[in-house]
This record gives sequence, C-alpha cells and structure tokens, in this order.
Amino acid sequence: GAVVSQHPSWVICKSGTSVKIECRSLDFQATTMFWYRQFPKQSLMLMATSNEGSKATYEQGVEKDKFLINHASLTLSTLTVTSAHPEDSSFYICSAPQGARGNTIYFGEGSWLTVV
Amino acid sequence: DAKTTQPPSMDCAEGRAANLPCNHSTISGNEYVYWYRQIHSQGPQYIIHGLKNNETNEMASLIITEDRKSSTLILPHATLRDTAVYYCIVRDRTGTASKLTFGTGTRLQVTL
Repeated sequence: GAVVSQHPSWVICKSGTSVKIECRSLDFQATTMFWYRQFPKQSLMLMATSNEGSKATYEQGVEKDKFLINHASLTLSTLTVTSAHPEDSSFYICSAPQGARGNTIYFGEGSWLTVV
Repeated sequence: DAKTTQPPSMDCAEGRAANLPCNHSTISGNEYVYWYRQIHSQGPQYIIHGLKNNETNEMASLIITEDRKSSTLILPHATLRDTAVYYCIVRDRTGTASKLTFGTGTRLQVTL
C-alpha cells in the first residue's frame, strides 16, 4: 500500500483562487518532503524542499510567494497554489524519504490541478 | 547530483527480460544509483537502489559496473504492466534532505 498519500487526487479551481494540496507520510515521520511539478509529456521538476519546523527551500525560478509550503508536523506538508492561473495547471507530486538515513524516497499518487 | 544518460525509448516482448541501461560517468563516491518508474498519470514508483554492489529485490535487479560509471536495470520477465517511463537517478547519500533530480528517462513499451 501507499506510504505517502496526497489529497486531493484532482481539483478544478477558478482563476484567481487558491488551492491547497496535502502530502502525508503514512506510518513514518518525515522531517523533509519534496514537491515536484510535472507538465504533460515532461519529466518531474523539483519545486521545493519542505522542512519540518522551518522555511521551505525553493528551487531557482520557483516563486515562493505563489507556491506556499507549510510543513507543520512530521507527517504533513501542504502546498498552496495562490492566485492560481491556467498556466499553473499541472500534476503536482510530493515525496518523502523514509528511514534514519532517508535512503528510500517514496512518492505520493500525485494531484492534478486544472485552473479554469 | 551527477547527470545520467538513458535511451529515450525501448521495446521489449512480454515474458522476456528488459535490460535498461544508464550512464552516470561523473558519479562520485557519495552517490547512490536509484531507479524509479512512472506509469501514466501516477506518482513515481520506487524500484531499487544501490551503491556499488549488485542488488536484487522482488521487482528487479540492478547491475552496477565496477567503475560505477554505468548501470543496468533488469526486469527479468517483463509484463504489459511494466510499460512505463523508467528513471535512473544518482543521489548524494548524505542525509534525508538529499533530493532526487529527474532526467528524461526511458520509455519502455512491453508488447505481446
């Protein structure tokens, strides 16, 4: 079964609104989680590293004020897409390393966002 | 993280072994080789990882050359459900904050 779960699996929102996507580690704690975005027929692009109890680390070119990340507990990270626009429509995926050394990284099922 | 090079696509007949190559000539001693696959519209699925020794699990085998500059993922008896994009990734082993950087992967098509 899944060890990392995302919610919602898909969401449709109106342009200008904000959408929150949750990522949960099941049965293990994750001080670090990663958020990716994937456009059709492209590879996964890392957006940011979510750190429990501290600020997220964003990759170059990713707007931190637009993609708000909160890692409030050891099992939950959230990604909020603020003031969403159609170009934000994408497949958003989170991942979390498991184990003391984090050698195995598991991915969530992904969340499809469509902005209309 | 070191970059990897994979063929963009491969075909394999069902029931045969699928051998997916990966070049990582600039890999450092601190970096593991990871393999993931992504079936359409799903999150990536972990397959296997290794440092320098060959590894085998219930899904696949990973063969790493002695100089660690390349590796091969082997699916011993491919089925139609193994059709996916396979990603070879090298990752620094120093800690949970070490991230996975995805390349373009190999699209494996398993056919009847």
